[in-house]
Amino acid sequence: EDKVVQSPLSLVVHEGDTVTLNCSYEVTNFRSLLWYKQEKKAPTFLFMLTSSGIEKKSGRLSSILDKKELFSILNITATQTGDSAIYLCAVDSNYQLIWGAGTKLIIKP
Amino acid sequence: NAGVTQTPKFQVLKTGQSMTLQCAQDMNHEYMSWYRQDPGMGLRLIHYSVGAGITDQGEVPNGYNVSRSTTEDFPLRLLSAAPSQTSVYFCASSPGPGSQETQYFGPGTRLLVL
Repeated sequence: EDKVVQSPLSLVVHEGDTVTLNCSYEVTNFRSLLWYKQEKKAPTFLFMLTSSGIEKKSGRLSSILDKKELFSILNITATQTGDSAIYLCAVDSNYQLIWGAGTKLIIKP
Repeated sequence: NAGVTQTPKFQVLKTGQSMTLQCAQDMNHEYMSWYRQDPGMGLRLIHYSVGAGITDQGEVPNGYNVSRSTTEDFPLRLLSAAPSQTSVYFCASSPGPGSQETQYFGPGTRLLVL
């Protein structure tokens, strides 16, 4: 059975800290791994990763994939209160997205 | 360009009632899908469609029906609502099943079944 596991489930840090969110997966036909940010409403797309070892970066956020060890990490440096959200990881397996439960990140001022 | 729209935003039903959650997109996307999201869980795929006239079941299809008579619309029907269907429902669309990074989500429908 395909599954995606995220850790930690929740995380509370202070503004300015750096955080690392984890996503591991076991799927039958890996095509890509995606990261989303969800605030109050629908998820918004952050990154799509298809190849091992190639870092995707957008401002203070970055992500990398390890297809041998079957995991990805999402890093956020110099966190701000606006980074508070649920971060979701999803894996495209056979053209269907399998979602992790998410990491709830709270940034304290 | 409205993107993906969903109605209603919030609905309360009694057990056994039926209703239809509406979803429409104006981007001419072929691929549309319905998810439910429950507290502490990720999104779970209910049904999806790869084009008009074609639908298929996702991970949790029981209790839900869909149809896709046009490219634009993908309604989700609950025939006999149950408290276990209390959830937030998201509709999403993308140009094709192989373009997940360009998947657009609707704003969600919050459903409470008493």
